[in-house]
Order: sequence, then structure tokens, then C-alpha cells
Amino acid sequence: NAGVTQTPKFQVLKTGQSMTLQCAQDMNHEYMSWYRQDPGMGLRLIHYSVGAGITDQGEVPNGYNVSRSTTEDFPLRLLSAAPSQTSVYFCASWDSDTDTQYFGPGTRLTVL
Amino acid sequence: EDQVTQSPEALRLQEGESSSLNCSYTVSGLRGLFWYRQDPGKGPEFLFTLYSAGEEKEKERLKATLTKKESFLHITAPKPEDSATYLCAVQGGSEKLVFGKGTKLTVNP
Repeated sequence: NAGVTQTPKFQVLKTGQSMTLQCAQDMNHEYMSWYRQDPGMGLRLIHYSVGAGITDQGEVPNGYNVSRSTTEDFPLRLLSAAPSQTSVYFCASWDSDTDTQYFGPGTRLTVL
Repeated sequence: EDQVTQSPEALRLQEGESSSLNCSYTVSGLRGLFWYRQDPGKGPEFLFTLYSAGEEKEKERLKATLTKKESFLHITAPKPEDSATYLCAVQGGSEKLVFGKGTKLTVNP
């Protein structure tokens, strides 16, 4: 099992550009989430999905879109990047049998 | 609103010097309290889930305990490799996890 994978590891964008952060898991977990982690702020939930075709907003959803067409993939789209979106982004999937959340390695995004 | 406060923000220990990290929480309808370890530049790694007051779980030098208002992560005779940031999170009725800001632990040899 590869677990939770994220690409890219690093990305630099200019203000106004759009991009998609990729996330995939091979554990057949229904529940997946996106978090951002900023210094002094802890992990904050952006969007989550309880299964293919179902997504919902977390604590800080503005400026981000998600979709879930398959169980495996949960991409995060930045519509028009802003410097305030400079952060480290983590994708996670949840094993409901063991109540264990598995995190990906993260994407470090800088918006200039 | 669910809230998690971790203390201290940073803790520096000598190798072998036992101590505890605190996680205070307010949540409506606790479904679970979670502890994670995060190494620099990596994603959080799951350690423990606690469900009810009085519950305890152990893994190597770590023991997590839970009361109705707080959880403690006890570290016994820590080693330098235990240096990391330890995160606490709660899951309430909304099923969404709310994280604390973490405690950065440094264990000096």
C-alpha cells in the first residue's frame, strides 16, 4: 500500500493563477479531507468528502473547490491564488473501522 | 464550537526526564480524542484514539489518558528520537476533527 500520496511536494504560484493539488489513497477509505497548516494556527479543515460524489465544507473553504469522482482521488483546486493561501496542505483519509486518520506527506505552496 | 488548547507550546527535556503534555478541550458530544506525532516536513502520524473518560492507551514510552475536560500524553524516559510536535484533536457531534496548535517537544541527549 502506498497510503496517501500528494503531488506536487512544492509549488510556487503567482497571485491570480489557478492550480490543482492532487491527492490519492489506495486503502479504499470513504472519508477524505483536506487541511491547511499555518505557523501558530494548527491544522484547519478546508473541505471533506464522505464518499464518491459527496463533498462538504470545513472551517476555511473560501477560495478552494473540491470534487470526488472516485473513491481513490480527492483533488483540491485553487481558483485564483492569493498570498493568504501560502501554506502547507495535507490530504488525509479515514479508516472508519479503526478510527485512524492517515495523512499524506503534504504540499508546500507559496503564492507570490 | 469545539475547541482544543495544548500546553505547553514547547517543551525541552533531557534524555530520560519524564514529563506530560496537556490537551484541554471543549466539545459537544465527544466521539473521540486523537493524538498525532508530526516530524518536521512530514504529515501527522496517528498515535492514539481515546473515547471515554478514564481510558488509557500506551505505546512504547508514550501513554495517553483522558478525563472529561482534558487529555495528557505522558512521556516516560524520553529519547532524542521522541523529539517531534505532538498534536491533539477532538471529534464531536459534527464528526469533523478540530486540532490544537501542538506541543513541540525537544529531547536533548
